[in-house]
Amino acid sequence: EVQLVQSGAEVKKPGESLKISCKGSGYSFTSYWIGWVRQMPGKGLEWMGIIYPGDSDTRYSPSFQGQVTISADKSISTAYLQWSSLKASDTAMYYCARHLGGWYLAKPNYYGMDVWGQGTTVTVSS
Amino acid sequence: SSELTQDPAVSVALGQTVRITCQGDSLRSYYASWYQQKPGQAPVLVIYGKNNRPSGIPDRFSGSSSGNTASLTITGAQAEDEADYYCNSRDSSGSDVVFGGGTKLTVL
Repeated sequence: EVQLVQSGAEVKKPGESLKISCKGSGYSFTSYWIGWVRQMPGKGLEWMGIIYPGDSDTRYSPSFQGQVTISADKSISTAYLQWSSLKASDTAMYYCARHLGGWYLAKPNYYGMDVWGQGTTVTVSS
Repeated sequence: SSELTQDPAVSVALGQTVRITCQGDSLRSYYASWYQQKPGQAPVLVIYGKNNRPSGIPDRFSGSSSGNTASLTITGAQAEDEADYYCNSRDSSGSDVVFGGGTKLTVL
């Protein structure tokens, strides 16, 4: 079974650092881009960025560039999302998701995200 | 603000057909994908590409596109289809990925 399993819920204070994980199984982890998606409480989905675990090529949404770091360790089939200094506004559910197709595709090819992790709740509060 | 625009809420009578739309300039250049999200659950991909359904998605779900508008159609809506639906695609520059604001579907 193809699946992405995320790390557990986190409760942190403003200014603290955090790294959450997303472990893939049931497929070739290095052959698919993995993205991260934020969902703030009661709000919609926001795409944060994407990484290709095969060579760690990474792309960020302009909204999240410089705010988070996306990385991957292909030896353990795991992608990461990290913050160096959390803010209360980082409180949200974070999902990882496998992207269908590649990033460098000619128009009109975009195929979305077919496998999602269960989500990691991050709460930042003093 | 999102580059993809969806109606916030849509309702449909049980067994009837409903169309959920997504508008944006980038849809003239890229396919849209559609996701279903039920409360407390992760999103599920229901339509991708020109009009493709992942394994396990009922054939009452279909997708189409015309100009700057992509549509998700549910033919014969069921009670279990009540959920939030999000469209998703590349942005106009192709360098970013964007979601629509979501449509809450109520099945009456």
